[in-house]
Amino acid sequence: GAGVSQSPSNKVTEKGKDVELRCDPISGHTALYWYRQSLGQGLEFLIYFQGNSAPDKSGLPSDRFSAERTGGSVSTLTIQRTQQEDSAVYLCASSLGAGARVYGYTFGSGTRLTVV
Amino acid sequence: SQQGEEDPQALSIQEGENATMNCSYKTSINNLQWYRQNSGRGLVHLILIRSNEREKHSGRLRVTLDTSKKSSSLLITASRAADTASYFCATEAIGGYQKVTFGIGTKLQVIP
Repeated sequence: GAGVSQSPSNKVTEKGKDVELRCDPISGHTALYWYRQSLGQGLEFLIYFQGNSAPDKSGLPSDRFSAERTGGSVSTLTIQRTQQEDSAVYLCASSLGAGARVYGYTFGSGTRLTVV
Repeated sequence: SQQGEEDPQALSIQEGENATMNCSYKTSINNLQWYRQNSGRGLVHLILIRSNEREKHSGRLRVTLDTSKKSSSLLITASRAADTASYFCATEAIGGYQKVTFGIGTKLQVIP
């Protein structure tokens, strides 16, 4: 596609439920990143996929968070047993791998998650 | 943890004035990038400066980098109301393998 697509754009869920957030990167972009942004804050790194390499999961805040990237394209971020502190905007970005050092990242519009 | 810290956290100027935002970081970097965010959603890449560059221009944007002071500045000249947004610096640390770390941002308001 022309840009990075994220779905849903908004999600309200009850505390304790599981949620899945989807990211469809730009075709051909080998690198995919998930970030989280709480209200009025900067971006917190969550996880990074690069080609077929093992993902960098160093930013995942707890074992309730997991992500996968199937076929080197679409990625799903799963949050199990959601808590109110998980409420945030979840942003996905993709890049041409090392091209990030020339062109930076392309971000999607994010998924606003609200846990009630 | 945040690598970059922007200063000021909020800035309000009149249309036509110049806006300067600063970013400081902690570790040695491969490059530093500036992004704009409107309405708390997706970020837009503005400009990237490599660690061996000192200044870069793009339209009304000018970015400087001082690696000895671990700091960067973003200057927006002749600001417009449409420049109202949050601006973030992001750094790729050496050995960061293209992963960048973002600061908390500067919220810029340009008053028409």
